[in-house]
Amino acid sequence: NAGVMQNPRHLVRRRGQEARLRCSPMKGHSHVYWYRQLPEEGLKFMVYLQKENIIDESGMPKERFSAEFPKEGPSILRIQQVVRGDSAAYFCASSPRAASGSGETQYFGPGTRLLVL
Amino acid sequence: AQSVTQLDSQVPVFEEAPVELRCNYSSSVSVYLFWYVQYPNQGLQLLLKYLSGSTLVKGINGFEAEFNKSQTSFHLRKPSVHISDTAEYFCAVSLQGAQKLVFGQGTRLTINP
Repeated sequence: NAGVMQNPRHLVRRRGQEARLRCSPMKGHSHVYWYRQLPEEGLKFMVYLQKENIIDESGMPKERFSAEFPKEGPSILRIQQVVRGDSAAYFCASSPRAASGSGETQYFGPGTRLLVL
Repeated sequence: AQSVTQLDSQVPVFEEAPVELRCNYSSSVSVYLFWYVQYPNQGLQLLLKYLSGSTLVKGINGFEAEFNKSQTSFHLRKPSVHISDTAEYFCAVSLQGAQKLVFGQGTRLTINP
């Protein structure tokens, strides 16, 4: 059973460009979470999605950031008009059921390291 | 809102020595507690978690942690470390009923031969 897959692993963008980060959850998992890790900091929650639905986006910046998890295909985290402060590692995690209520484990992917020049 | 504090940003120890990585949390409601390990340039891997029951939790790679409700702590321990334990360790909590994990700042464990 393959783990959570993320691509690309490294992404370089110039200021003002768009960044698209993809996450394929583990087989059988329908819950996806995105986290951002700034240099020398812990991970910060961004968004929680189920298939075709955004459930909790309380950690998403109000502008330029969006996420989706379509019926078919990977989850996408999209950052428009990137700025240098967006440089970070972005991690995706998945779980077979909602993490709440049962302490369900979230399984993390290897991350996408975004560098904005 | 809940928060997690990892008291040490870096912990250097000698190989085969014991180690304790400290984690304190604040929350007004019940939480689940987790320890994750991150090896260089990799994602996070679950070491162990506390949901309920026995306050001493055993995880992978010889690690264990003890939940102390009165001190709101969940310290991670290993009696004898190995070079391969060199990594960043993250403590995290989730509210019962919430989806997201709230992480501490991380502790970098460095093992010296």
